[in-house]
Amino acid sequence: QVQLQQSGAELAKPGSSVKISCKASGYTFTSYYISWIKQTTGQGLEYIGYINTGSGGTNYNEKFKGKATLTVDKSSSTAFMQLSSLTPDDSAVYYCAVTTGAYWGQGTLVTVSS
Amino acid sequence: DVVMTQTPVSLSVAIGQPASISCKSSQSLVGTSGKTYLNWLLQRPGQSPKRLIYLVSKLDSGIPDRFSGSGSETDFTLKISRVEADDLGVYYCLQGTHFPTFGAGTKLELK
Repeated sequence: QVQLQQSGAELAKPGSSVKISCKASGYTFTSYYISWIKQTTGQGLEYIGYINTGSGGTNYNEKFKGKATLTVDKSSSTAFMQLSSLTPDDSAVYYCAVTTGAYWGQGTLVTVSS
Repeated sequence: DVVMTQTPVSLSVAIGQPASISCKSSQSLVGTSGKTYLNWLLQRPGQSPKRLIYLVSKLDSGIPDRFSGSGSETDFTLKISRVEADDLGVYYCLQGTHFPTFGAGTKLELK
């Protein structure tokens, strides 16, 4: 069955970067684009962007350009999202999902605190 | 950006009663292929979102037919014919025709 397994929770200091992974299994990795979504505590869902897992091409929400960088490693069927220049406003749960929305990872909690 | 306006913000429904959620988009969601990429998701407490419906009205595998989706262009509705305890959580609409955007969510609580 299709699974998206995300890396564990991160505690980061302001100004630093984190890189979250999303390992796909149960399907041909390049069959679906991978999306990344932000959810702050008690808030709704915000689309960060998505990546073409075959070509590596990306499309970002304007709000997250310069904040998020999406990459893939086809050899390991893994998608990555790096968040840079972290501030407390970046504290959230981040999800990866296939872009059709049919399958989601379990979420990765990122906490930014000094 | 396409703005998805979802109403109501919250809904209190007794078991066995129907529920309805509306989602209106700021632009038509009919794509160049003629398909309308409108999904409905449910996020239960402490869980990841789960897709219930795609392409306006198609039920995902394993989703009971108590759920139904309808609508066109800019106006969409999710209906639950008879609410069950397992249905509580937050429902989101998600459009994928343009750069994807979510509705703000509707919290379904049991009365």
